Amino acid sequence: GENVEQHPSTLSVQEGDSAVIKCTYSDSASNYFPWYKQELGKRPQLIIDIRSNVGEKKDQRIAVTLNKTAKHFSLHITETQPEDSAVYFCASPSTGGGNKLTFGTGTQLKVEL
Amino acid sequence: GAGVSQSPRYKVAKRGQDVALRCDPISGHVSLFWYQQALGQGPEFLTYFQNEAQLDKSGLPSDRFFAERPEGSVSTLKIQRTQQEDSAVYLCASSLDYRPNSPLHFGNGTRLTVT
Repeated sequence: GENVEQHPSTLSVQEGDSAVIKCTYSDSASNYFPWYKQELGKRPQLIIDIRSNVGEKKDQRIAVTLNKTAKHFSLHITETQPEDSAVYFCASPSTGGGNKLTFGTGTQLKVEL
Repeated sequence: GAGVSQSPRYKVAKRGQDVALRCDPISGHVSLFWYQQALGQGPEFLTYFQNEAQLDKSGLPSDRFFAERPEGSVSTLKIQRTQQEDSAVYLCASSLDYRPNSPLHFGNGTRLTVT
């Protein structure tokens, strides 16, 4: 099945700095790559997604880039703020069709004052 | 509008007990998923419904796990004879349609602790 690897597992940045989280996937047929943010004890929330027909997508301070040749995609957060502190998960459609997702293991982002 | 609602929020069960977890998806959402999230891990797929049809149950870890969505809206995940390894957060998610790229909307989950 689809294998999604996510790095780093923890990331600590100073407020105002940028943060980058990277994921790789195994299924070359995958065409949809969402990112979810999960605060402690809360639900995962979709923050941005990208489809394979584009290489980059931005939404204010958040951007996602996709390299289909290398089979990796990254989340970029600029001008980080304390409220960005959370666990971030990447995901990719699971092998075999349907719309179930395989999630990465998560990155704990801590934005320090 | 209302999001995905799950109940109970927390459930403590003694080993061997049966439990039932409820999910109310967003009204009109065709697809419904159950995921299991262990501490410090990403959500792992359990099962998928399109309306009332259970199209994929490949992620259910054993035959003690059973899910249903009889009228194509509310869904129940049942775990029989609970074991300690069943302790996790059970997340329900719904999406508007059946397309692979249809965004998932998660509930807050049910945290199950088996003692």
